[in-house]
Amino acid sequence: DTAVSQTPKYLVTQMGNDKSIKCEQNLGHDTMYWYKQDSKKFLKIMFSYNNKELIINETVPNRFSPKSPDKAHLNLHINSLELGDSAVYFCASSHQLPPETQYFGPGTRLLVL
Amino acid sequence: AQSVSQHNHHVILSEAASLELGCNYSYGGTVNLFWYVQYPGQHLQLLLKYFSGDPLVKGIKGFEAEFIKSKFSFNLRKPSVQWSDTAEYFCAVNAGSNDKIIFGKGTRLHILP
Repeated sequence: DTAVSQTPKYLVTQMGNDKSIKCEQNLGHDTMYWYKQDSKKFLKIMFSYNNKELIINETVPNRFSPKSPDKAHLNLHINSLELGDSAVYFCASSHQLPPETQYFGPGTRLLVL
Repeated sequence: AQSVSQHNHHVILSEAASLELGCNYSYGGTVNLFWYVQYPGQHLQLLLKYFSGDPLVKGIKGFEAEFIKSKFSFNLRKPSVQWSDTAEYFCAVNAGSNDKIIFGKGTRLHILP
């Protein structure tokens, strides 16, 4: 059973398009996260949700909008994609807020042309 | 603001060599410390963590890390590496009162068979 899953695994799109990445966890966790890993492998927190409530919004452009329909899902919608958005996006979950151990999804590799 | 430094960006070792990866953080208060590993083609997973107690922490696959408060360090060690240890290693810190985990830039470890 996959604990944290993301779709799609790869996403290639043109500048200016709008795209969504979905994340689901079957661990029964209360907290979910989105991270961005750039080309230099630097992993940076974007958002965190606890019980569907936004906890962290780490100065991310408002083109990025997370949505948590329930505790098991945290989706990421990106409007007007830019070249600089190309990265690997990781979803993660934890039982509670940090310092609880985080469980990561496989990542979504986004390439904006 | 809390930050994490991993000074070794790329380490190449032969099998059976001993390993030490450096990690330093900047935060003067209580911290929780982590090492995560990302094997090729896989998602990040927890290697070990320190919250309190014995500063020498043992993790999976023979890894250990030592928390030295006076040096603000949490170095990862393994006495004898294997080819299967080839991966990217991320140090991370959570300040005691903070809701987020800050990751270092990662160290790419390459083990020669």
